[in-house]
Amino acid sequence: DTAVSQTPKYLVTQMGNDKSIKCEQNLGHDTMYWYKQDSKKFLKIMFSYNNKELIINETVPNRFSPKSPDKAHLNLHINSLELGDSAVYFCASRLDPSTGELFFGEGSRLTVL
Amino acid sequence: AQSVTQLDSQVPVFEEAPVELRCNYSSSVSVYLFWYVQYPNQGLQLLLKYLSGSTLVKGINGFEAEFNKSQTSFHLRKPSVHISDTAEYFCAVTPGNTGNQFYFGTGTSLTVIP
Repeated sequence: DTAVSQTPKYLVTQMGNDKSIKCEQNLGHDTMYWYKQDSKKFLKIMFSYNNKELIINETVPNRFSPKSPDKAHLNLHINSLELGDSAVYFCASRLDPSTGELFFGEGSRLTVL
Repeated sequence: AQSVTQLDSQVPVFEEAPVELRCNYSSSVSVYLFWYVQYPNQGLQLLLKYLSGSTLVKGINGFEAEFNKSQTSFHLRKPSVHISDTAEYFCAVTPGNTGNQFYFGTGTSLTVIP
């Protein structure tokens, strides 16, 4: 039973389209994250939620909108996709927001043509 | 603010040789430190973590790391590498007094040569 699951795993779309990536964790954690990993493997934090409350909102274009319907889910919606949005997006969860480690999903590879 | 520096972007090493991957951090507060491994086309997996106590931390797959507060370092070591250790390795830090922040270094690509 996968702890942190993301769907879809692969996403290929055209510029200008809108797409969503879903994330669910069954670990009972209160804290969830979205990270973007670029082609050079650099991991950039995008958003973080504690029990449905937005805690971290890094400098991310407002075309990106997270949504947490409950503490087990954190979805990412992207409007008007651009070439530079092509990346692997990772969802992660964490038990303790101060000391705990992150548990990662397998990633969602987004390719914008 | 906190930051993490991984000095080596690529480390080639022969099979069964020892390896050290370097990580330095900067922070004005106490931090907790982590090493993650990412195999090709997979998510990140925790190798080990330092929260408190003994400065030598042992992790999975024979890896260990030593926390050095005076040198603000947390280098990862393995005495004898295998082909299967070929992967990307990330050092990470989280400040202990504020919530949610979790910073990663830029990664070190370890390639084990047969």
